[in-house]
Amino acid sequence: QSVLTQPPSVSAAPGQRVTISCSGISSNIGNNFVSWYRHLPGTAPKLLIYDNDKRPSGIPGRFSGSKSGTSATLGLTGLQTGDEADYYCGTWDSSLNAYVFGTGTTLTVL
Amino acid sequence: QVHLVESGGGVVQPGTSLRVSCITSGIVFRHYAIHWVRQAPGKGLEWVAFIWHDGSKTYYADSVKGRFAISRDNSKNTLDLQMDSLKVEDTAIYYCATDRGSGWSQEHWGQGTLVTVSS
Repeated sequence: QSVLTQPPSVSAAPGQRVTISCSGISSNIGNNFVSWYRHLPGTAPKLLIYDNDKRPSGIPGRFSGSKSGTSATLGLTGLQTGDEADYYCGTWDSSLNAYVFGTGTTLTVL
Repeated sequence: QVHLVESGGGVVQPGTSLRVSCITSGIVFRHYAIHWVRQAPGKGLEWVAFIWHDGSKTYYADSVKGRFAISRDNSKNTLDLQMDSLKVEDTAIYYCATDRGSGWSQEHWGQGTLVTVSS
């Protein structure tokens, strides 16, 4: 059972900007770094953002991350049809002593 | 290039055991902590377990605690997830992933191995 809440779906037109929110509490997002992943079911998930706002090498600048209090946001600009996928936030939960993922958001590029 | 390959998945009956493994290449295995993450059919990602680079610490999701055991042998570059007392709800694709070393994020992932628990 996910303890991080994301919107089930978001959509936008090609070339537009979209944001995906991730809401938690003090024991997870409030006191730990947040990561973001992209996943097409049946394939390997891909790390997009780590430590709230850092991009691994190879991830384009169209992807951005931010955190404020107990919430985090993934931003994606210049949307392409290839961006359609499921997106998950994730962080450590210091109370559970476990890593937790968000509920996941399906991005549709109209 | 970093590669992770999971193996050992299959179809088993409830209450039985299965061991899945993860082989890595392109990294110095003993330097990396490793996660297991799964995705059940039609569900989202669920973190399962984590082991420190030297095997000194392990962590588990409540849903598998007491039934699953993560282990590694750095002399053989092997990582295993022993799954006992399997339940139907353990049916999922199991992925191994390297820890980035910061913020518990999972950086490099394998393609996954399918575990089906069914009578």
